[in-house]
Amino acid sequence: DAGITQSPRHKVTETGTPVTLRCHQTENHRYMYWYRQDPGHGLRLIHYSYGVKDTDKGEVSDGYSVSRSKTEDFLLTLESATSSQTSVYFCAITNQPGSTDTQYFGPGTRLTVL
Amino acid sequence: AQSVSQHNHHVILSEAASLELGCNYSYGGTVNLFWYVQYPGQHLQLLLKYFSGDPLVKGIKGFEAEFIKSKFSFNLRKPSVQWSDTAEYFCAVISKAAGNKLTFGGGTRVLVKP
Repeated sequence: DAGITQSPRHKVTETGTPVTLRCHQTENHRYMYWYRQDPGHGLRLIHYSYGVKDTDKGEVSDGYSVSRSKTEDFLLTLESATSSQTSVYFCAITNQPGSTDTQYFGPGTRLTVL
Repeated sequence: AQSVSQHNHHVILSEAASLELGCNYSYGGTVNLFWYVQYPGQHLQLLLKYFSGDPLVKGIKGFEAEFIKSKFSFNLRKPSVQWSDTAEYFCAVISKAAGNKLTFGGGTRVLVKP
């Protein structure tokens, strides 16, 4: 398995509170991604990063921000959590999207917003 | 926008039965195609992938998939399933024309009864 860890693995929080999820990789891959997984929707891209300090929005970016100050860490922040953000969040990494490279996924973070 | 459709949301079958899961995508051009599997409580793992060459791709655990360009399809098959194949299966597509972002289908939950 690729060296990807996510923290925390589980979190319960209240509406309106800020939440930060961390993805850490030891593979030195350039690209990192945050997805959310919801029943019937598969995985949907929230934000991604193509290098340190280089990020862009995905399909469902509203209510989320990201930061990447180091190659190995990609943070996802919910500035003010809402119940609609209850989901399982997965981080993924790859070196070259669109080539023969594959995205590798972390173990996931289950977030519940009450 | 690119989209990926998995028509079966739930499949229930008995051990030794054959499995076929459908996947269709909506856009043309060169595509890379993937099937990922998520066992209960685990993260996504790559089952197989197609980039070019032989349209019949063999993956891990006895799975295979066939890319039919004219039908925009990439169906997953296994001739004889086992109880341990109980999982959720996701088709995913990446296209340079669509910004090299991985787009997932909604997933198919497969339950194999012993």
